[in-house]
Amino acid sequence: GAVVSQHPSWVICKSGTSVKIECRSLDFQATTMFWYRQFPKQSLMLMATSNEGSKATYEQGVEKDKFLINHASLTLSTLTVTSAHPEDSSFYICSARDLSGRDSDTQYFGPGTRLTVL
Amino acid sequence: GQNIDQPTEMTATEGAIVQINCTYQTSGFNGLFWYQQHAGEAPTFLSYNVLDGLEEKGRFSSFLSRSKGYSYLLLKELQMKDSASYLCAALDSNYQLIWGAGTKLIIKP
Repeated sequence: GAVVSQHPSWVICKSGTSVKIECRSLDFQATTMFWYRQFPKQSLMLMATSNEGSKATYEQGVEKDKFLINHASLTLSTLTVTSAHPEDSSFYICSARDLSGRDSDTQYFGPGTRLTVL
Repeated sequence: GQNIDQPTEMTATEGAIVQINCTYQTSGFNGLFWYQQHAGEAPTFLSYNVLDGLEEKGRFSSFLSRSKGYSYLLLKELQMKDSASYLCAALDSNYQLIWGAGTKLIIKP
């Protein structure tokens, strides 16, 4: 089946620094990837939709200058949390669609990246 | 390796009951989530089980057996709006989410 990986799995950083999270589709090409954040036992909140070769589409309330998204290839999207603050501490999850698969609506989720900002 | 299995698709009738099964194999275990996802929307949280047993929440119930590596989501009094994908995800020992591919539930009148 389609596999999505994220790196790093967890990261601890100081307030004010920037953190980059990678999302890769390992065995398929993904023209569209999604970035979510999740607080404990809560629903995933969609932050942005990342489209290969074009600008990401951000959800209302998500600061595009703070959460930089780059989808430079069909297998890689990156989320950079700039000038991170403790309130940015969360679980960041990406997903990707395999448009060549049997069901192009299926989203494959990554294992998540746990960000802790001190 | 780590793995989650759930059926790809299920069909049920409005007003009926359906059970969606999920089996998991993970390195360590810190709980199991069920999410509902309608097409084009973000997954919404349904339940979290970490202890054996059944947890009931309105029309939805979730069951866990840690010894069997097994969970199910039970939906009662099905409504057309319950047509969605249902995702099973387990937390491993590193608190990483291992996702199932989702079960597409089709409700017929």
